[in-house]
Amino acid sequence: SAVISQKPSRDICQRGTSLTIQCQVDSQVTMMFWYRQQPGQSLTLIATANQGSEATYESGFVIDKFPISRPNLTFSTLTVSNMSPEDSSIYLCSVESSRFYNEQFFGPGTRLTVL
Amino acid sequence: QKEVEQNSGPLSVPEGAIASLNCTYSDRGSQSFFWYRQYSGKSPELIMSIYSNGDKEDGRFTAQLNKASQYVSLLIRDSQPSDSATYLCAVRDRGSTLGRLYFGRGTQLTVWP
Repeated sequence: SAVISQKPSRDICQRGTSLTIQCQVDSQVTMMFWYRQQPGQSLTLIATANQGSEATYESGFVIDKFPISRPNLTFSTLTVSNMSPEDSSIYLCSVESSRFYNEQFFGPGTRLTVL
Repeated sequence: QKEVEQNSGPLSVPEGAIASLNCTYSDRGSQSFFWYRQYSGKSPELIMSIYSNGDKEDGRFTAQLNKASQYVSLLIRDSQPSDSATYLCAVRDRGSTLGRLYFGRGTQLTVWP
């Protein structure tokens, strides 16, 4: 499987600010995704990060609030913009590739608290 | 809206027992199914994948798939306290070999010594 790292692992931010989360994979992957997991809840897909083009967002998530970049096949960022306490959550990136038998693996997550 | 339903639990079993976790899904065309284990404060870890009807065994874990009934289950034999976690069922989007997974809400399992 892939080795996935995320930075930061956790952060406490003030309302109205923005935070950029980085996801780095140790090998090239086809697909990268960003999920949110609120306390006691399951995973909600925010968007699919597409290399070289705009991300594909799920219903309820918009680019202005969650801009995503994917400049190459091993790296992606998610920005949480103009944060409010409702954005407090764990943000997870995941990756998928045919070299991993089309299975999806998750990074360690970023725990975000917005005050 | 594709639905993936799991018994929310919590499920509590004694050490050494068989834990049975169940999942149903709404999209009859789904082809790929996954079980993830998530310890408290950690990210999900893939433990089983299954694509064909029947059973797939890996150590103490057995995944069972019945596409006609739109049902997938995970059996954990000889349960250990270290198996205590939330188990997430995931189903891949119809017709895709890569990409979007739909997750259930998870079943919390506690194995008591």
